[in-house]
Amino acid sequence: EVQLVESGGGLVQPGGSLRLSCAASGFTFSNYWMSWVRQAPGKGLGWVANIKQDGSQKYYVDSVRGRFTISRDNVENSLYLQMNSLTVEDTAVYYCARDIGLGGGFDFWGRGTLVTVSS
Amino acid sequence: SYELTQPPSVSVFPGQTASVTCSGDKLGNKYACWYQQKPGQSPLLVIFQDSKRPSGIPERFSGSNSGNTATLAINETQAMDEADYYCQSWDSNTGVFGGGTKLTVL
Repeated sequence: EVQLVESGGGLVQPGGSLRLSCAASGFTFSNYWMSWVRQAPGKGLGWVANIKQDGSQKYYVDSVRGRFTISRDNVENSLYLQMNSLTVEDTAVYYCARDIGLGGGFDFWGRGTLVTVSS
Repeated sequence: SYELTQPPSVSVFPGQTASVTCSGDKLGNKYACWYQQKPGQSPLLVIFQDSKRPSGIPERFSGSNSGNTATLAINETQAMDEADYYCQSWDSNTGVFGGGTKLTVL
């Protein structure tokens, strides 16, 4: 059974940092692109970043580029999102999602971890 | 940056066909997929690569994509189909979501 379990969310002050983790199991993690997707309270979905199977390619939405860093550990079957210089606009549930590839979308999602940026 | 536009809401009577549209510049030249999200739940992929259904998704769900518009159709809509629906595509290796459509089953 495919499972994606996010952790690391919490309350952080503006300007602070947080590192999210996503533990993957039930599939060969190293075979898939992976993404982070977020959803602000009561709002729609927003793609954040993705990373290629071997970590050699990474892409970001404009609003986080330079502040967030996506990474992965194919030995530990884990995906990460280092978030720096956080603003209130980054407040959201952050989901880890597996990418089908070839433009196919995200076929498995975690339950998400809530990040709240507030003073 | 690339944008996808969806109607905020769509209403349908039970048993009728619901159609949700997603518009973007030359969207038909890209792949589109659709997600269903119910309150308190993670999104669920219901259509990928324009018209393919993942395992376990009822045949009532179908998709198409041409020109500037992708469409999700739900035949014989049931009360359980009431949810938010999001389209998604890719532009220059970055993901893009539509704003979402709330489907109400009357």
